[in-house]
Amino acid sequence: SQWGEENLQALSIQEGEDVTMNCSYKTYTTVVHWYRQDSGRGPALIILIRSNEREKRSGRLRATLDTSSQSSSLSITAAQCEDTAVYFCATARTGGYKVVFGSGTRLLVSP
Amino acid sequence: GALVYQYPRRTICKSGTSMRMECQAVGFQATSVAWYRQSPQKTFELIALSTVNSAIKYEQNFTQEKFPISHPNLSFSSMTVLNAYLEDRGLYLCGASGTGGYEQYFGPGTRLTVL
Repeated sequence: SQWGEENLQALSIQEGEDVTMNCSYKTYTTVVHWYRQDSGRGPALIILIRSNEREKRSGRLRATLDTSSQSSSLSITAAQCEDTAVYFCATARTGGYKVVFGSGTRLLVSP
Repeated sequence: GALVYQYPRRTICKSGTSMRMECQAVGFQATSVAWYRQSPQKTFELIALSTVNSAIKYEQNFTQEKFPISHPNLSFSSMTVLNAYLEDRGLYLCGASGTGGYEQYFGPGTRLTVL
């Protein structure tokens, strides 16, 4: 498969904590997407990092990409209850729009 | 902004029957539409990728005979699940992309229950 881990992981933290979610991929990619999916909804793209970028920030979100180890991370600073969702990383390649999803992390932020 | 609608949101069909689901892009031109199925465990399976003016590419384990797709213009796509059985249950998502972009916008999905 495309991904190193196939099972949905779960993380539970308190509001205000920082959290990092990791994923690794097996095949070449030019872009890594991070999506969040809220209950009853489709995935929403929250940050996109290209292969020529090592880090990308958006508000309290920070994504990193290490193409040499084929891994990416998503960090959320000072997590809030509304950050509770399932987070997915996904890869895509140049010239196509085929997005391949990883297994996801279910994040629960408690007050 | 870019929005993707899917309907129906939920559907129930009897085993062996077929159902059609639709995907509509608003606010951008959906050059490519990918159809996925998401399991209760949240695993995504890519069914097929449809690009306007190109052949539809089905992934392994998915066929046109089972999941025929139509993508007649830059705002609409539909997919039918033929002869649905229990293993076809899940949340069917369409992800639409515009020309030259990697961003894929998803609809809320059509949840298929097969009795």
